[in-house]
Amino acid sequence: ETGVTQSPTHLIKTRGQQVTLRCSSQSGHNTVSWYQQALGQGPQFIFQYYREEENGRGNFPPRFSGLQFPNYSSELNVNALELDDSALYLCASSLAGGPETQYFGPGTRLLVL
Amino acid sequence: GEDVEQSLFLSVREGDSSVINCTYTDSSSTYLYWYKQEPGAGLQLLTYIFSNMDMKQDQRLTVLLNKKDKHLSLRIADTQTGDSAIYFCAEGWEAGNNRKLIWGLGTSLAVNP
Repeated sequence: ETGVTQSPTHLIKTRGQQVTLRCSSQSGHNTVSWYQQALGQGPQFIFQYYREEENGRGNFPPRFSGLQFPNYSSELNVNALELDDSALYLCASSLAGGPETQYFGPGTRLLVL
Repeated sequence: GEDVEQSLFLSVREGDSSVINCTYTDSSSTYLYWYKQEPGAGLQLLTYIFSNMDMKQDQRLTVLLNKKDKHLSLRIADTQTGDSAIYFCAEGWEAGNNRKLIWGLGTSLAVNP
């Protein structure tokens, strides 16, 4: 186990709703990255947070937003959910300044109906 | 552009060696990674290699990097049924403080008894 935890494990929402996913990083890690993994695909980078600020963003619309807290835990918020947002959302923590060795949580599986 | 490619499927017999291949396009990658994902589980870091190395061995795992051809491989010696999983190749990309991983689609390894 990596020490990265995510909640909830599963979630069902309907189109147009909003969702918040949570991640606690591994002890000592100050950087959190979020990924979306659709079925049968590799992870797609959403964004990364370092010291409570967004530190890079992938090709995702503004309705995907995030936060990082002083204890380095993080949230991913998705507004106006669409059917295509159904995926496994993975959080990874790492320590800035070293190799970008990311340790992943088990993920939150989101289903949008 | 950023692109990581892998073959989608590999089937081997228990006890044989498995070789999973990956090609990438971004020559500025700092590190290259192999992750393992078992069904319904998050991503587990297996190993990584710094881009100025050409080989790394870790127990049953051997990583070979051909930087000229931008080719990375993962060899699993004495493959076991417990090695059945999806294996993702990823390259680490950095620009200042902006760091992210670019992922392949994954290679599904089936180990037959």
